[in-house]
Amino acid sequence: LAKTTQPISMDSYEGQEVNITCSHNNIATNDYITWYQQFPSQGPRFIIQGYKTKVTNEVASLFIPADRKSSTLSLPRVSLSDTAVYYCLADQGGKLIFGQGTELSVKP
Amino acid sequence: NAGVTQTPKFQVLKTGQSMTLQCAQDMNHNSMYWYRQDPGMGLRLIYYSASEGTTDKGEVPNGYNVSRLNKREFSLRLESAAPSQTSVYFCASSRTGNYGYTFGSGTRLTVV
Repeated sequence: LAKTTQPISMDSYEGQEVNITCSHNNIATNDYITWYQQFPSQGPRFIIQGYKTKVTNEVASLFIPADRKSSTLSLPRVSLSDTAVYYCLADQGGKLIFGQGTELSVKP
Repeated sequence: NAGVTQTPKFQVLKTGQSMTLQCAQDMNHNSMYWYRQDPGMGLRLIYYSASEGTTDKGEVPNGYNVSRLNKREFSLRLESAAPSQTSVYFCASSRTGNYGYTFGSGTRLTVV
């Protein structure tokens, strides 16, 4: 399974756009890049998934360059409720191995 | 929709006691997983079941056993609880293929 690397923590302010970058140099051909969000005392929640280029849904956008060695999760105009831990994973459709994630703190 | 249901939500055990954590999903998912999460850390995979009738070890299987009772239910058993097993346990399920996981709300276990 491909190892992913992401910043341990990030700070932002309400209304700003937040970009969290994930590195996955050894990503496999059949890996999809998947992001999860976890609030305190809750299980992780699937946010978005992509293979190449750009994917957008009602929550976030995911940018994956052609070489697929990195990806960027973009959260538009964050609010205090976006304060959470965000995990980047390589998903082959089987077991998922979670890293420490990025702890995003949104301030007023 | 209930999704993934875990019971109990909280449990305190004495060292050496045994217990079973229950997990059930109503989404007709083939695969189910058990994770543990310690304070300030990411989730670590304990066991998983890719399909009914199969189970496999994850990253941290020692001290645990699992049973895939049927397609809906996947239980995790601690035969002799130890303080090192104090953690929050999450169950998850997924369809076959990379469609993302659905997680339960967790069981907070304390072993004293």
